[in-house]
Amino acid sequence: AQSVTQLGSHVSVSEGALVLLRCNYSSSVPPYLFWYVQYPNQGLQLLLKYTSAATLVKGINGFEAEFKKSETSFHLTKPSAHMSDAAEYFCALSGNTPLVFGKGTRLSVIA
Amino acid sequence: DADVTQTPRNRITKTGKRIMLECSQTKGHDRMYWYRQDPGLGLRLIYYSFDVKDINKGEISDGYSVSRQAQAKFSLSLESAIPNQTALYFCATSDEGTSGGTTDTQYFGPGTRLTVL
Repeated sequence: AQSVTQLGSHVSVSEGALVLLRCNYSSSVPPYLFWYVQYPNQGLQLLLKYTSAATLVKGINGFEAEFKKSETSFHLTKPSAHMSDAAEYFCALSGNTPLVFGKGTRLSVIA
Repeated sequence: DADVTQTPRNRITKTGKRIMLECSQTKGHDRMYWYRQDPGLGLRLIYYSFDVKDINKGEISDGYSVSRQAQAKFSLSLESAIPNQTALYFCATSDEGTSGGTTDTQYFGPGTRLTVL
């Protein structure tokens, strides 16, 4: 069975601080992993994806994520938070089934 | 123009009514999906279709049906709506990709907010 666990339903950071959103996965096949962002009243937008090439994946808006097989993790980071990063973030997994999503982490950025 | 459109964007209906949510795409993708989003539960797959003749149940298909009218159109129906179907519904599309598997990026519509009273 495939599953995704996002640690922390809500994360709050100060503007300019490091953003770290955690995602762990379980998969019986080599996984493809995704991070999506949802801004208020909008659909989901792809931030980045891991497809078994480089383990460090760079995405849009300064975000990046590192695939760590030994830890079954795919955490999302950004060195310096901006007010515009406030949104909900979803980690998702696919392999031999359509996407399986985590429950989401809401990021708040404090001025 | 948006690549994936959903109509209506908002709908309020009553228990027992039949509701259809529509999705259209101009991306030329074969694969289409319907999800529902509930606070704290993330997105859950309702149905998906890999081509016009292919329909598959997802994690939470009970109480829903779908129709794939054409490559570009995929509709979701609630035959007899109930209050716990109140949610945000998303349509998504993806290409088959090089592997032919399920590993390709999905592109989402803006969502339909459905309220069942």
